[in-house]
Amino acid sequence: EIVLTQSPATLSLSPGERATLSCRASQSVSSYLAWYQQKPGQAPRLLIYDASNRATGIPARFSGSGSGTDFTLTISSLEPEDFAVYYCQQRSNWLTWTFGQGTKVEIK
Amino acid sequence: QVQLQESGPGLVKPSGTLSLTCAVSGGSISSSNWWSWVRQPPGKGLEWIGEIYHSGSTNYNPSLKSRVTISVDKSKNQFSLKLSSVTAADTAVYYCARAFRAPPAPAYYFDYWGQGTLVTVSS
Repeated sequence: EIVLTQSPATLSLSPGERATLSCRASQSVSSYLAWYQQKPGQAPRLLIYDASNRATGIPARFSGSGSGTDFTLTISSLEPEDFAVYYCQQRSNWLTWTFGQGTKVEIK
Repeated sequence: QVQLQESGPGLVKPSGTLSLTCAVSGGSISSSNWWSWVRQPPGKGLEWIGEIYHSGSTNYNPSLKSRVTISVDKSKNQFSLKLSSVTAADTAVYYCARAFRAPPAPAYYFDYWGQGTLVTVSS
């Protein structure tokens, strides 16, 4: 099973600052990785798929990069609505899905 | 706009069977998508439970495989989850979700989710 490890666990930033979130896979997942945003009491929302493609309706301030085992989600300038928990996800061998443990982006 | 809606009992007794249904509207369950169940214990992260294709093909999380059954009812445009021998550790918000892929890439991702339903295991 491929394990996804996210860092940091918590990121304390102010609105307008840049957020950089990391996701590391225990073995290569090529570019087949997604990022989700989850706010309290809500279902996750797809932000990025195939490592760098923004999902429909996602603002340009969200960007993804990486391949192989190391991936990054960048929020160029934090808006108040961006404070949430972010998860990375992959589907290994097209049979089993795994999620990272999440990174909480909180207001400093 | 595809919508998914979970339904089922919010309270299940220990050693019993958890049963949930996900009704799909705004799209066909017979489309080229996989349909999954994902759960989230209170205050914790996301755990994938399993998935089904409209043909009836299934894949399950190895850690839950012995207790999970996912089925599809194309006539009702819905799919269902059964989790047996539940314990307090199965208390969670249960989500159903649709998985899509963007050709030519082969990977799937969750683009539509239900709002989630809390299931508590307690006597």
